Amino acid sequence: AQRVTQPEKLLSVFKGAPVELKCNYSYSGSPELFWYVQYSRQRLQLLLRHISRESIKGFTADLNKGETSFHLKKPFAQEEDSAMYYCALATQGGSEKLVFGKGTKLTVNP
Amino acid sequence: SAVISQKPSRDICQRGTSLTIQCQVDSQVTMMFWYRQQPGQSLTLIATANQGSEATYESGFVIDKFPISRPNLTFSTLTVSNMSPEDSSIYLCSVQGNSNQPQHFGDGTRLSIL
Repeated sequence: AQRVTQPEKLLSVFKGAPVELKCNYSYSGSPELFWYVQYSRQRLQLLLRHISRESIKGFTADLNKGETSFHLKKPFAQEEDSAMYYCALATQGGSEKLVFGKGTKLTVNP
Repeated sequence: SAVISQKPSRDICQRGTSLTIQCQVDSQVTMMFWYRQQPGQSLTLIATANQGSEATYESGFVIDKFPISRPNLTFSTLTVSNMSPEDSSIYLCSVQGNSNQPQHFGDGTRLSIL
């Protein structure tokens, strides 16, 4: 069965500190991984996807198939990064359902 | 990305009644989905809304409880039937332009049942 695990429900860091939000997945096929973010009072929006291999708002995430992980990283956190972050998995092709992790609430303190 | 309008944004309903949620997209999309986010929980897919045919439901969700329509490539509705307090959730519509594109979400409908 497909499963996404985000072990940290809450994560708090200080401004300027590095941040890493962990995501592990379970899927026997070829996965497509996403990070979605929900800022306060805003809709859920795509932050990045692994096939794009791009950096958005300073965030990066590398798919590690050996460790079945897709951790989200940023070297210097900003207060505006405070939000709820969800890791999601799509089955091969990406046109099927998304399986979401439970989310990590990131708080960046001044 | 497509502009997604979902309404109502919130509602408070009486036990035993039904509510229909609408999702309108400003461009034709291949796929439309309905998710539920229960309080303090993550998003769970209810069903895939198929244009011109019956929706495809995930395990634990049935058509009698969550009937879905998708009359064209820009519009879908989800009805929550015979509501009980356990149905209090946020219901979200998402769309996917084609299989190479990611899903994008509407603002959601916050539903409370008394």
